[in-house]
Amino acid sequence: GNSVTQMEGPVTLSEEAFLTINCTYTATGYPSLFWYVQYPGEGLQLLLKATKADDKGSNKGFEATYRKETTSFHLEKGSVQVSDSAVYFCALIHLNNNAGNMLTFGGGTRLMVKP
Amino acid sequence: EAGVTQFPSHSVIEKGQTVTLRCDPISGHDNLYWYRRVMGKEIKFLLHFVKESKQDESGMPNNRFLAERTGGTYSTLKVQPAELEDSGVYFCASSQDSGREQYFGPGTRLTVT
Repeated sequence: GNSVTQMEGPVTLSEEAFLTINCTYTATGYPSLFWYVQYPGEGLQLLLKATKADDKGSNKGFEATYRKETTSFHLEKGSVQVSDSAVYFCALIHLNNNAGNMLTFGGGTRLMVKP
Repeated sequence: EAGVTQFPSHSVIEKGQTVTLRCDPISGHDNLYWYRRVMGKEIKFLLHFVKESKQDESGMPNNRFLAERTGGTYSTLKVQPAELEDSGVYFCASSQDSGREQYFGPGTRLTVT
């Protein structure tokens, strides 16, 4: 079956530090890959996505590249801000698949950015 | 456009009691999904509605959980009787088409004591 593994947190960084949150996946075929973010007290929001190999998703300074050869979708940001403190979830979905279109999530990584 | 809403935001009940969670999807979204995150672990799929029909309920943990979506609008998820291991955050999501982005609600935090 499908699975997503991401680094455990919490990740604690100082403001303006470089961020990497690792995510690897196991899936048959060619899933679409996502990063969701949950800010304190809010629901899950789609941060970025990539639908095929070598695609780069980007949003709000965050980037992730779909690497099929390493089955990875690592999240990066060059300079984090306090407002980026949140829980980040890596996820995948198979589209147009009779197995259904549910998202498969990783365990989440809590990021804490200190001023 | 209003987003996905869930009610209540928090619920604390005793073991053996019944709780009903509600989800109102974005208007016009035929697809509605329930997920839950237990004990800080990964978010897991519970089930998927297309309009009022259950498309996939493979993630429902046992028959203590009952989901309905009468009329194809809002959905309810009933847990009866609740057990300690049911504690967690229950998320609802909706999408216009099954292959489109899923929009999530804020979640309902359920605590069973």
